[in-house]
Amino acid sequence: AQTVTQSQPEMSVQEAETVTLSCTYDTSENNYYLFWYKQPPSRQMILVIRQEAYKQQNATENRFSVNFQKAAKSFSLKISDSQLGDTAMYFCAFTPNDYKLSFGAGTTVTVRA
Amino acid sequence: KAGVTQTPRYLIKTRGQQVTLSCSPISGHRSVSWYQQTPGQGLQFLFEYFSETQRNKGNFPGRFSGRQFSNSRSEMNVSTLELGDSALYLCASSSGTRTETQYFGPGTRLLVL
Repeated sequence: AQTVTQSQPEMSVQEAETVTLSCTYDTSENNYYLFWYKQPPSRQMILVIRQEAYKQQNATENRFSVNFQKAAKSFSLKISDSQLGDTAMYFCAFTPNDYKLSFGAGTTVTVRA
Repeated sequence: KAGVTQTPRYLIKTRGQQVTLSCSPISGHRSVSWYQQTPGQGLQFLFEYFSETQRNKGNFPGRFSGRQFSNSRSEMNVSTLELGDSALYLCASSSGTRTETQYFGPGTRLLVL
């Protein structure tokens, strides 16, 4: 089974500080794609960042970066210089061997002023 | 480019009724996927359509069905509604290849009474 585990249900961070969200996944595939999506209170699912498993270089997107450890099947997201607008639920997801996204349970991030 | 649109945004039905939800993908995208989001089960894949053909299916009962039209717009239908069908239904579109990112619509909130 292809599973995604997010072990942190909730995290709180002070504005301008850094927070790291963890994600592990399980697959026997060698080539797959990993994503972080955010879902703010509006419930709109927004892509934050994506990583191709065949690439060793970690993806970055402005204040968002990932630490991808393929052997450990780990894919953490770091949010730097946190802003109030980053408050949302964050989902880790991947597409192993087909066209569907498998999602983790999500981590609620609250940025405090 | 306009994003993914979903109609209606909110819907209230009673048990036993049926409902049809609509999704218009990003222009040029040929794949539409549907997901159900509930507090208890999280995000679960329903099905995916590509060029009017169902290419992938999740583990949902036959009451859940879908279709895709030649202009790539998709509809999903739920017959004989149950209380447990209350959820946020999200659709996502992509070009249809495994390498491409799925972009989500705002969702349809369905409440079954």
